Amino acid sequence: DTEVTQTPKHLVMGMTNKKSLKCEQHMGHRAMYWYKQKAKKPPELMFVYSYEKLSINESVPSRFSPECPNSSLLNLHLHALQPEDSALYLCASSQAQEGSYGYTFGSGTRLTVV
Amino acid sequence: AQSVTQLGSHVSVSEGALVLLRCNYSSSVPPYLFWYVQYPNQGLQLLLKYTSAATLVKGINGFEAEFKKSETSFHLTKPSAHMSDAAEYFCAVSGGNTDKLIFGTGTRLQVFP
Repeated sequence: DTEVTQTPKHLVMGMTNKKSLKCEQHMGHRAMYWYKQKAKKPPELMFVYSYEKLSINESVPSRFSPECPNSSLLNLHLHALQPEDSALYLCASSQAQEGSYGYTFGSGTRLTVV
Repeated sequence: AQSVTQLGSHVSVSEGALVLLRCNYSSSVPPYLFWYVQYPNQGLQLLLKYTSAATLVKGINGFEAEFKKSETSFHLTKPSAHMSDAAEYFCAVSGGNTDKLIFGTGTRLQVFP
């Protein structure tokens, strides 16, 4: 298995809703990442987990809450989002949190906040 | 701090023509360099990477890139464009004092018949 699987592919949520994005990989990768991508822009790093521990939080608002239940799963819990949070959310993984490894990206969750 | 600059937000070529997408990097230490492709409504796919081995790197789908330290460049090329190459291409850098993958602003490639 050489894929990163993200669910759901599309999500529409109200500003008072609570929802979660899920990411799964079975490549034995020990680093996992959440990125946010606005239209016509490059991906922006949000969080990095290394060996199931949060190692980088790029000053992301607390309405985004990451969780890494085990080495294969990564969640992003969403609460009280704003319309400007609408974007493509990408999950990625790599063998380790070390610069020489390329990342494997999932196909993303298209989030719309109404 | 490390960064990459992609010259040209849009590149248009005819089918069968040479593809050249430009990327220049800034790094105080030997960098790791990557090219990713993103098709509409998809995630990013790794095309190729440079990690200080051979300076000419061959990737998937007929793409290749050459690391030129003297020019701080890592341009992506393909001898003959295909319609299916139309996509967004991102150059990225990591290494040194950061393990973060830092992306350029992207280049949209259009291929005309």
